[in-house]
Amino acid sequence: DAKTTQPNSMESNEEEPVHLPCNHSTISGTDYIHWYRQLPSQGPEYVIHGLTSNVNNRMASLAIAEDRKSSTLILHRATLRDAAVYYCILRVASYGNKLVFGAGTILRVKS
Amino acid sequence: NAGVMQNPRHLVRRRGQEARLRCSPMKGHSHVYWYRQLPEEGLKFMVYLQKENIIDESGMPKERFSAEFPKEGPSILRIQQVVRGDSAAYFCASSPGQGHQPQHFGDGTRLSIL
Repeated sequence: DAKTTQPNSMESNEEEPVHLPCNHSTISGTDYIHWYRQLPSQGPEYVIHGLTSNVNNRMASLAIAEDRKSSTLILHRATLRDAAVYYCILRVASYGNKLVFGAGTILRVKS
Repeated sequence: NAGVMQNPRHLVRRRGQEARLRCSPMKGHSHVYWYRQLPEEGLKFMVYLQKENIIDESGMPKERFSAEFPKEGPSILRIQQVVRGDSAAYFCASSPGQGHQPQHFGDGTRLSIL
């Protein structure tokens, strides 16, 4: 499986930015980087995805390293509702359409 | 604009019974995926279906599990002769097409086996 490496857990203060890192050193040129999150007792929720350029949407920003071997999900102002498990996933053509989830990063937000 | 609907949210079965889990994809979505999350474990892909076709069932256990997505109606994940190890959260996702389009998930069915 295409490997991504994320810290087990991170902690943030409310109203502050959060940078969630992901390493994917084996990424190939056609692999997309996707981020999902899973709040307690809910299904995963799509956050953002990108290929080479940085991406922004209403939920977050995705910063992709120039060599594409790492990326960072940026939550600009963390709220208590952002406490969740965040998954960095490579969309690999050979996997077809399935998502391969790792362990993710547990984000705790302190008030 | 309704999201992915799964029912029931909670299902309790005794060992040996059958469990049927239903998933209605988002409007306009013709691709459905099933994932399983065992207690204290990560999400694992089970099966990918389009209308009336199974495209990828590489994650399905070889026995007792089956899935369908008929021309009309919801997708069904069926587990026959359930065992304690089938206790898990089962999530359904849908997408409008293939490739890099995001998958939209339901809130899952929590299956408990007595």
